[in-house]
Amino acid sequence: AQTIHQWPVAEIKAVGSPLSLGCTIKGKSSPNLYWYWQATGGTLQQLFYSITVGQVESVVQLNLSASRPKDDQFILSTEKLLLSHSGFYLCAWSLDISAETLYFGSGTRLTVL
Amino acid sequence: AQSVDQPDAHVTLSEGASLELRCSYSYSAAPYLFWYVQYPGQSLQFLLKYITGDTVVKGTKGFEAEFRKSNSSFNLKKSPAHWSDSAKYFCALEGNTGANTGKLTFGHGTILRVHP
Repeated sequence: AQTIHQWPVAEIKAVGSPLSLGCTIKGKSSPNLYWYWQATGGTLQQLFYSITVGQVESVVQLNLSASRPKDDQFILSTEKLLLSHSGFYLCAWSLDISAETLYFGSGTRLTVL
Repeated sequence: AQSVDQPDAHVTLSEGASLELRCSYSYSAAPYLFWYVQYPGQSLQFLLKYITGDTVVKGTKGFEAEFRKSNSSFNLKKSPAHWSDSAKYFCALEGNTGANTGKLTFGHGTILRVHP
């Protein structure tokens, strides 16, 4: 069975500090990977997606970057956090890029002060 | 352009009643449609999806939804509702033509409260 693990569970960071969030998928080779952001009480916004190792597509510009250094790993980062980065970050995977169910990780709650 | 509208930010009902959460969409063709549920403090879980074929789709936890092309809707239903169904429900549309292929758009969600 496939499992998806996100870390950390929660972060409290200062404005201007760096950030790195991670996601690992086990039990599925070459998954499609996604990063989503959810503002408190809000909807989900897709940030990035990756079809293969080393390739990441940006969907929206939020002064964040993503990388896929390994087939099963997806990293979200920034060098300087903004207050607007606060929210819930969700990693997800799917079997294919179209018409497929998304399987979400447990998420990381980020508070920027 | 594609969009999803969930007109009811909150729905409250009593346990045992029938629930219907509304979802309408705007898309130039017949899209792929999904429902996800988010329990308080948790991540999202898949409920069901419509890709093609039978317009009534059944999903997990006893939910079903009907795709109606005539009025561009994909409402989620369950009867009877249980207090454990209390959660936030998201309708999502995935484009399947041209540059929108694979692009997923979520609605703003409906918070459902089922009173015991």
